[in-house]
Amino acid sequence: DTGVSQDPRHKITKRGQNVTFRCDPISEHNRLYWYRQTLGQGPEFLTYFQNEAQLEKSRLLSDRFSAERPKGSFSTLEIQHTEQGDSAMYLCASGVGGIAGNTIYFGEGSWLTVV
Amino acid sequence: AQSVSQHNHHVILSEAASLELGCNYSYGGTVNLFWYVQYPGQHLQLLLKYFSGDPLVKGIKGFEAEFIKSKFSFNLRKPSVQWSDTAEYFCAVIPASYGQNFVFGPGTRLSVLP
Repeated sequence: DTGVSQDPRHKITKRGQNVTFRCDPISEHNRLYWYRQTLGQGPEFLTYFQNEAQLEKSRLLSDRFSAERPKGSFSTLEIQHTEQGDSAMYLCASGVGGIAGNTIYFGEGSWLTVV
Repeated sequence: AQSVSQHNHHVILSEAASLELGCNYSYGGTVNLFWYVQYPGQHLQLLLKYFSGDPLVKGIKGFEAEFIKSKFSFNLRKPSVQWSDTAEYFCAVIPASYGQNFVFGPGTRLSVLP
């Protein structure tokens, strides 16, 4: 499968613990996005990378959230001191640049449950 | 607040009925428009997209959408739905002023009865 892959698919953690999610984009894609989705809502933008540069961050991304894409390939999203409100699906998507190619493809997501 | 809205939260249709799902956005200027679908237990998949040119775009599985700039709308249509179209449908917009941020609507759940 050469699509966007995310790991882990499911994570249950206790409040206050740190969690890290990994995303491997489609290999030739230089753009990588993180979104959060809760039940009954559409995906909410968190952050966006072009290659290794983090170009945009949402106000939703509090200081407890950090994302990296060290070599412009895979990315990690870390949540420190998790809270119950962090329970959601965390989606990664990747795409190529350029006006005509401005499309993103999603992974299957990582479910986080904070208890 | 600038946003993407979808008119219906849940639509229930019988097989062979026609479908139209509404999407409106509130961003001015140039926009790129998308419809994504999420089948039960699966990831979001692209149905169709509009960047420029013919405002009537065709996507996969017999879906089409029409961009009406004056109405800030990008409605999704299908002449005859099938049970397998049961899914959640999301409209998404890239406003030119927002860089490369895709802004999604809240989604419409479609249930097709056999």
